[in-house]
Amino acid sequence: AQKVTQAQTEISVVEKEDVTLDCVYETRDTTYYLFWYKQPPSGELVFLIRRNSFDEQNEISGRYSWNFQKSTSSFNFTITASQVVDSAVYFCALSGGDSNYQLIWGAGTKLIIKP
Amino acid sequence: ETGVTQSPTHLIKTRGQQVTLRCSSQSGHNTVSWYQQALGQGPQFIFQYYREEENGRGNFPPRFSGLQFPNYSSELNVNALELDDSALYLCASSLELPTDTQYFGPGTRLTVL
Repeated sequence: AQKVTQAQTEISVVEKEDVTLDCVYETRDTTYYLFWYKQPPSGELVFLIRRNSFDEQNEISGRYSWNFQKSTSSFNFTITASQVVDSAVYFCALSGGDSNYQLIWGAGTKLIIKP
Repeated sequence: ETGVTQSPTHLIKTRGQQVTLRCSSQSGHNTVSWYQQALGQGPQFIFQYYREEENGRGNFPPRFSGLQFPNYSSELNVNALELDDSALYLCASSLELPTDTQYFGPGTRLTVL
């Protein structure tokens, strides 16, 4: 069975602090895909990144960076110099293998950035 | 902007009624997936259509049904509405393979009274 765990239910930091959102996944498949999505209060899920299981390179996009480690089955997301506009619920998701037609979602981490 | 649109934005129904939610995928995207998201939870997969055929289904009863049309539009139909059906319904389109990135619409907020 596939599973995604986001142990942090809610994180609150002050603007300009760095913050890391954890994601741990379980799968028996050798080929799989990991995703991060952002859901602001408006409700629309915004795609942030897609990573396949063969690519363990870390990714940096502006203030966002992702650390993928197959050895620990983790795909963590770091926001550097956080801003109030980063406040949202962030979801980690997994697809591939037996459930290759659907995304398996974590429960989400609510990130609150205080001014 | 993902190019995925959904209608209506909000909807209020009473228990036992039927509802149809609509989605327009990005042009050229042959896969559409529907999700239900209850308040404070992650999305739950309802089903997926690829080139107008159902390509997979989650743990939802048969009263949840869908259609996909050749013009990249799709529908989610729910019969015999129950109070627990109150949720945000999201559709997502992707290019071809189910593992392609899914781009989401803004959702339809359904309230069942």
